[in-house]
Amino acid sequence: EDKVVQSPLSLVVHEGDTVTLNCSYEVTNFRSLLWYKQEKKAPTFLFMLTSSGIEKKSGRLSSILDKKELFSILNITATQTGDSAIYLCAGRTGANSKLTFGKGITLSVRP
Amino acid sequence: SQTIHQWPATLVQPVGSPLSLECTVEGTSNPNLYWYRQAAGRGLQLLFYSVGIGQISSEVPQNLSASRPQDRQFILSSKKLLLSDSGFYLCAWSANTEAFFGQGTRLTVV
Repeated sequence: EDKVVQSPLSLVVHEGDTVTLNCSYEVTNFRSLLWYKQEKKAPTFLFMLTSSGIEKKSGRLSSILDKKELFSILNITATQTGDSAIYLCAGRTGANSKLTFGKGITLSVRP
Repeated sequence: SQTIHQWPATLVQPVGSPLSLECTVEGTSNPNLYWYRQAAGRGLQLLFYSVGIGQISSEVPQNLSASRPQDRQFILSSKKLLLSDSGFYLCAWSANTEAFFGQGTRLTVV
C-alpha cells in the first residue's frame, strides 16, 4: 500500500521565521513528488520533483527530493501571514498515475 | 486551456438519501481523474481514480461508488448516505504531470 507521511502535522511560527516541512514516501514504482498549498478550497500546485538533489525554487519557497532516502522537504524563508495554509505533498506512481497524499501540515504564521 | 468543473459547492443531505456529485473537465482528452475526501483541516484521502472510460480503481472500501461514463466526466455516488460520509470532496484531473483540482463540494449528512 502506498504511503505518504508528513511532519510535523502542525506548526506555528512568527513572521520572518524560516520553516522546513517534511514529507516521506513509500510509493510503488515512484515517478514524482508534488507539493501543494491549500488555503480555502482547491489546493494550488507548488512544485513537482522527479530527480534527486535538484532544488526547485519559487520566490521564498524551495523544495528538494532525495530518492535514496525517500523524502522531500519544502522550505519557506522569511515567512509571511499569507503563508498560513495547509501544505500537502503527494507521491505519484508511474504505472497508473495514482496520486497518494499525506495528511498535510497546517502552518500558522503569526504577525 | 483546461478547466475543471465540480458541483454542487455545498450539499446538505439526510442520512439514507442518495448522492451524486459530478465533475467534468474541459480542454483535454483522456485525463486521469480522481476523487478525494478531506476531513476538516486534514489531508486528502484518495477514494477513486480512473485512467479511462469505465476504468475505476477503488482505494477505500466504503459506502461510495464512482463511474466514468464519458472521457471527461467523473461521478461520485452513494445509494444511502451515512453520517460518516460528511466531508469535503475534491475532484482532480491530471495528464501525468501535476494534478488540478475542482473547487470542492462540502457535504453535510444530517
